[in-house]
Amino acid sequence: DQQVKQNSPSLSVQEGRISILNCDYTNSMFDYFLWYKKYPAEGPTFLISISSIKDKNEDGRFTVFLNKSAKHLSLHIVPSQPGDSAVYFCAASDPRGKLIFGQGTELSVKP
Amino acid sequence: NAGVMQNPRHLVRRRGQEARLRCSPMKGHSHVYWYRQLPEEGLKFMVYLQKENIIDESGMPKERFSAEFPKEGPSILRIQQVVRGDSAAYFCASSRGLAVTDTQYFGPGTRLTVL
Repeated sequence: DQQVKQNSPSLSVQEGRISILNCDYTNSMFDYFLWYKKYPAEGPTFLISISSIKDKNEDGRFTVFLNKSAKHLSLHIVPSQPGDSAVYFCAASDPRGKLIFGQGTELSVKP
Repeated sequence: NAGVMQNPRHLVRRRGQEARLRCSPMKGHSHVYWYRQLPEEGLKFMVYLQKENIIDESGMPKERFSAEFPKEGPSILRIQQVVRGDSAAYFCASSRGLAVTDTQYFGPGTRLTVL
């Protein structure tokens, strides 16, 4: 029972272009969402979050969009850089604080 | 400004042995979470602890696994009588509080290999 889904296991983008990573969730009780970035052999690094009272949050090159009616969020990275190549995890925070992660999307940004 | 510390980074055990994984939270953080990542999968919640209390262990296997966060010292995830299926990366995260907006920061993980 996968409550948070990232349906694209991988994404390849040219340097300087936009990367769009998608995430869907099934539980309408989720009200806080996060994106983490993970390099091989390292722990996840927090990137950006969004509360369900908002539909957009921006931090530098990273913007997260939330569509509550569709139970969908997306992470936009623009412009993409080779150093952005990593696995990106979407997560929802349940009311008790535990994070429920998607399966991850591996982003490859090519020079 | 040390982040979340985990040790060891790599641990090799033979079937039937015990594995002990340690996690020291960030300074000022009193909430610790353990997650497990199996190969080719996302991270799965195991347990949430505050000092001397287990708050939520709904993701812990019922047998062989236990966790503690004593008043002094690191949090410990203990796996008794390890089996090959326990091979995974185990990540610890810490947060300042229990509000959903209290970001969880992750350690580098312990990679457990069971031979």
